[in-house]
Amino acid sequence: EPEVTQTPSHQVTQMGQEVILRCVPISNHLYFYWYRQILGQKVEFLVSFYNNEISEKSEIFDDQFSVERPDGSNFTLKIRSTKLEDSAMYFCASGVGRYTEAFFGQGTRLTVV
Amino acid sequence: GESVGLHLPTLSVQEGDNSIINCAYSNSASDYFIWYKQESGKGPQFIIDIRSNMDKRQGQRVTVLLNKTVKHLSLQIAATQPGDSAVYFCAENLGDSWGKLQFGAGTQVVVTP
Repeated sequence: EPEVTQTPSHQVTQMGQEVILRCVPISNHLYFYWYRQILGQKVEFLVSFYNNEISEKSEIFDDQFSVERPDGSNFTLKIRSTKLEDSAMYFCASGVGRYTEAFFGQGTRLTVV
Repeated sequence: GESVGLHLPTLSVQEGDNSIINCAYSNSASDYFIWYKQESGKGPQFIIDIRSNMDKRQGQRVTVLLNKTVKHLSLQIAATQPGDSAVYFCAENLGDSWGKLQFGAGTQVVVTP
């Protein structure tokens, strides 16, 4: 069964460092998303991406964040200068179309120290 | 029910019984709703979705009910099994696409033998 895959499963980084979280969406999907879940809190929408550009973003997704689809299979989330409060599970999701369900990956646990 | 912070409402169910998980959503303009299951250390897993032009939808062992009048969503699981133990999230679409979602806080379901 096709699935969204994310790497790494766990990333530890020092405050101020840049991190790149990687995702391989399901192959025929065209809509891509990043979410995060701070420990003990709700899953929160960060950004949606379609046709090589950001469709929508939340207020969390500030200038420290960027997304990219560098090739035909990967979808990345970059945090330029990590802060302690960026520690969270980051989930990538993808959907076939605008009006289809989103399927989530297993997540990357980011720990900023 | 809904909760914030570290404390999730918990539903304890005996194996073989039916489970009902409730969710109140916030935006009367939402037209798409979805239930996800999240097991420990994993990403949200799609269970079932429903559009606002429906009030009931059935899947395999699961039924989602939508009451737009009171902005209430419920998930019924028939003949609950130990593998159903997880946190269950309802979500509503935030924007035009179905992948931009606002998640509820979740309900912990514990299935006892």
